[in-house]
Amino acid sequence: NAGVTQTPKFQVLKTGQSMTLQCAQDMNHNSMYWYRQDPGMGLRLIYYSASEGTTDKGEVPNGYNVSRLNKREFSLRLESAAPSQTSVYFCASMGVGTVVLDSPLHFGNGTRLTVT
Amino acid sequence: RKEVEQDPGPFNVPEGATVAFNCTYSNSASQSFFWYRQDCRKEPKLLMSVYSSGNEDGRFTAQLNRASQYISLLIRDSKLSDSATYLCVVTEGDMRFGAGTRLTVKP
Repeated sequence: NAGVTQTPKFQVLKTGQSMTLQCAQDMNHNSMYWYRQDPGMGLRLIYYSASEGTTDKGEVPNGYNVSRLNKREFSLRLESAAPSQTSVYFCASMGVGTVVLDSPLHFGNGTRLTVT
Repeated sequence: RKEVEQDPGPFNVPEGATVAFNCTYSNSASQSFFWYRQDCRKEPKLLMSVYSSGNEDGRFTAQLNRASQYISLLIRDSKLSDSATYLCVVTEGDMRFGAGTRLTVKP
């Protein structure tokens, strides 16, 4: 049981380059999330998808786009990377839909992105 | 003001010590509360949910005070393996994380 799988684990980009972070879960969860984690800031929500076919902005969506390709996959795209997007990115999924009562998030291993 | 605030830490304690972390939240409509643990350069993992009546899991006790809008985590008889960053999580439709409190347990 793989849980939540993220690729790549590490990436270095030059300013202005684009890339897509991939995320897939095999737990049949409805909701999927993308977070970024910066020192002293905790995890901040970039985008989320409450169910297949829907996506919504989180706290820090600027500079990112997402696609909920199907129930399993939720990708995050940086169209023109900036140094401010250097961070650790985590994908997560959750079994309950938009109402969180007692369902924990399951995280992927993270992607460490550096933009120079 | 941040929506979820935690003790700044770091906490450095000897093995066997009791240590407590607090977390305050700003949205009185918050529904659910959790403590997550994150090891260095790893993903966060659920430590325990926090129930209204308080709950205990072995050496860990979580408490919720809705009136004062804070939750707490108490760790008794600290072990070296408890060294990690502890994240407070509050749900407000989506899940909001505190910045985390780093704990180091020393021999």
